[in-house]
Amino acid sequence: GQQLNQSPQSMFIQEGEDVSMNCTSSSIFNTWLWYKQDPGEGPVLLIALYKAGELTSNGRLTAQFGITRKDSFLNISASIPSDVGIYFCAGYFAGGTSYGKLTFGQGTILTVHP
Amino acid sequence: DTGVSQDPRHKITKRGQNVTFRCDPISEHNRLYWYRQTLGQGPEFLTYFQNEAQLEKSRLLSDRFSAERPKGSFSTLEIQRTEQGDSAMYLCASSRGTSGGVGYEQYFGPGTRLTVT
Repeated sequence: GQQLNQSPQSMFIQEGEDVSMNCTSSSIFNTWLWYKQDPGEGPVLLIALYKAGELTSNGRLTAQFGITRKDSFLNISASIPSDVGIYFCAGYFAGGTSYGKLTFGQGTILTVHP
Repeated sequence: DTGVSQDPRHKITKRGQNVTFRCDPISEHNRLYWYRQTLGQGPEFLTYFQNEAQLEKSRLLSDRFSAERPKGSFSTLEIQRTEQGDSAMYLCASSRGTSGGVGYEQYFGPGTRLTVT
């Protein structure tokens, strides 16, 4: 089945630094989504990507849909303490019996030191 | 608040008991999804409804799990004869129908944390 490998597993950075994380898949996706999850809460949607090569920004966040359709990247610029949390990539393949199923990566735990 | 809501937020139950969780999606969304998340992992897809039709349920973890969406609005997830391995966060999400390649954006609720003792 489809699997997503997300890296790094964790990051410890200083406030103000930029952050990059990525997600790779063994198969192609039609849609890539990036979520942030705080402890004890559900994932919050950050960015959605629909086309290979697409680059989309949401404030200090920028994400890209890889041209091979098997990867995606998320960058956070000028990190602040409230960026702390777990970031998940998720892919959707519009075919077969996927029926809306999102496949999630394992998450990147981000810690920001003031 | 017009987001996805879930009730209860926390549930502690003894092994062997039945539990039921409720999800209220965003009002204009006709698609509803259930996921399970264990510690240190991303959410794992369980089942999917379009309106009241359950279009995918093969990924429900066992026949002890069942979900309903009787009127195409709220949904319930029931676990019968709970086991300790059922302890997890159960997440509900909703989305619009797709159009022109968009619409796969799923919005999650806060989840129900189940602890089976």
